[in-house]
Amino acid sequence: SQQGEEDPQALSIQEGENATMNCSYKTSINNLQWYRQNSGRGLVHLILIRSNEREKHSGRLRVTLDTSKKSSSLLITASRAADTASYFCATHGLQGAQKLVFGQGTRLTINP
Amino acid sequence: GAVVSQHPSWVICKSGTSVKIECRSLDFQATTMFWYRQFPKQSLMLMATSNEGSKATYEQGVEKDKFLINHASLTLSTLTVTSAHPEDSSFYICSASRGVSYEQYFGPGTRLTVT
Repeated sequence: SQQGEEDPQALSIQEGENATMNCSYKTSINNLQWYRQNSGRGLVHLILIRSNEREKHSGRLRVTLDTSKKSSSLLITASRAADTASYFCATHGLQGAQKLVFGQGTRLTINP
Repeated sequence: GAVVSQHPSWVICKSGTSVKIECRSLDFQATTMFWYRQFPKQSLMLMATSNEGSKATYEQGVEKDKFLINHASLTLSTLTVTSAHPEDSSFYICSASRGVSYEQYFGPGTRLTVT
């Protein structure tokens, strides 16, 4: 079953603005990952943050993790039209079974 | 590195027929492969986890006799949709893991349309 909830479900902003997406989950995790999916395509791994980390950066991406609130956020700075895609968070539980549980996703549209 | 391919990328079949989808890890050995299904504008739902040489573990609600999974080698897993029906039309995505880390590498997906 899906344990992740993402908000907003859809986000439309102007090119150059920052985009923030949020993810909440229900059970304790080992790590949380963010993926991007262009329409009709496979997933691209963006970033992984471990449960003992609070913030991580990769290029224009900034991810935060608050395990006390069971939530994470993905910030894309200086957005570009090419960032238009769906973004999913996915969590790995503590049992080590390698199962990923995906959130519902946020459809991001960057308007030129 | 860590490239996963799927074949075919799209397939159209008639109701009642069976369809096989292949998932290959091209440059690494995948001890574990995962199969997901994604309906339009929805998230990925895990169908089953397969380990090389052993039976797949299916998620609750997924019919193992309808979705046959074979993981015959460390680089190949197949998903066969048997007696396909229009409601099986979906985007099927596989992923592969080396087993030493938690990162999964995803294939490009297969669009199945059952008419």
